[in-house]
Amino acid sequence: DTEVTQTPKHLVMGMTNKKSLKCEQHMGHRAMYWYKQKAKKPPELMFVYSYEKLSINESVPSRFSPECPNSSLLNLHLHALQPEDSALYLCASSPVWGKNIQYFGAGTRLSVL
Amino acid sequence: DAKTTQPNSMESNEEEPVHLPCNHSTISGTDYIHWYRQLPSQGPEYVIHGLTSNVNNRMASLAIAEDRKSSTLILHRATLRDAAVYYCILRDSIQGAQKLVFGQGTRLTINP
Repeated sequence: DTEVTQTPKHLVMGMTNKKSLKCEQHMGHRAMYWYKQKAKKPPELMFVYSYEKLSINESVPSRFSPECPNSSLLNLHLHALQPEDSALYLCASSPVWGKNIQYFGAGTRLSVL
Repeated sequence: DAKTTQPNSMESNEEEPVHLPCNHSTISGTDYIHWYRQLPSQGPEYVIHGLTSNVNNRMASLAIAEDRKSSTLILHRATLRDAAVYYCILRDSIQGAQKLVFGQGTRLTINP
């Protein structure tokens, strides 16, 4: 099973809402990632977790709050987002050692109204 | 991270070979060359990677120039399903949890 599952597939939220994106993998990978992709642009890294600890934060605004409750799950908590945060949010996972190939989910398409 | 340069778009016909070029003139000796692709409405997927020697797998072949300043991803017999954005990415190691730095990529169109 090389699947990374992201839920929900689509999300519409207002600027005062609080919502969460969820990502799950059962490949035993101990590295997990959040990327953001605007329309017609390449993905850009937001966060990296290694062994459930945050190892890279690409200067992401605090209205995005990642969480890695266990080795299979990765959440992205959203609060007080802006319309410009509307994008496709992609989760990925990889082994930490050996062939560091990243496996991506299909993403959550977020619209902020 | 060292940069890569790819054509914005390419077009090919179904069942013909496709050669996708990538220039990486500032590549360092420890950089691996990775290729990912992103099909419409999907996340990126790994295609192939290599360091110095040419590589083959079930999806594609990777031809690396002798000076490593360029590489070519080869799809031997393109199908409509190969229409995607192809990203050439340099990684300084295959180990450790590292980010992927995506460039603009090449949008490949396959004509039936």
